[in-house]
Amino acid sequence: GENVEQHPSTLSVQEGDSAVIKCTYSDSASNYFPWYKQELGKRPQLIIDIRSNVGEKKDQRIAVTLNKTAKHFSLHITETQPEDSAVYFCAASGDGGATNKLIFGTGTLLAVQP
Amino acid sequence: ETGVTQTPRHLVMGMTNKKSLKCEQHLGHNAMYWYKQSAKKPLELMFVYNFKEQTENNSVPSRFSPECPNSSHLFLHLHTLQPEDSALYLCASSFLTSGVRDFGPGTRLTVL
Repeated sequence: GENVEQHPSTLSVQEGDSAVIKCTYSDSASNYFPWYKQELGKRPQLIIDIRSNVGEKKDQRIAVTLNKTAKHFSLHITETQPEDSAVYFCAASGDGGATNKLIFGTGTLLAVQP
Repeated sequence: ETGVTQTPRHLVMGMTNKKSLKCEQHLGHNAMYWYKQSAKKPLELMFVYNFKEQTENNSVPSRFSPECPNSSHLFLHLHTLQPEDSALYLCASSFLTSGVRDFGPGTRLTVL
């Protein structure tokens, strides 16, 4: 089955710097890769997703890149702000690419220092 | 309230109790999910319902029993739980092929 590894587990950056979180997956059939942000005490929120037919997707200060050959994908946050502080989870579609059966990474705690 | 709602938000129960978690979605989605979130562990998919039919039971112990009477409501019935079942239980919903987009606020469960 699918296995997703996420690094780093914690990340501290200065306000205005960039942050990069990386995930690797094991199932080459996976074709959908979402990222979620979870603030303390709140529910996870989908912030960006990418499908395997594209290599990069951008939405304002966040972007996701996908390398299907190497089976890894990354979240990039530019010009970080204190409100970006949260736990970020990556996920990959499991069960041969079923988008509604996501396998999650263990999360990255991002702290943006003002 | 719009979106995905869950009740109760907090639950403390003994190992011999029986309780139920409730989830409701007002988004017109046709798939609903139960996830378990434990400290320092990935979100674990427990159950998936498509059009109120269960399509996934991710090796979940039988002390957790889901029920989906229609595509808007989802329950998780709990009985004879163990302390290691203490966690945040998240409900979610989506359209069948869109991936999970909407989570509920979760029920914080503590088993004594």
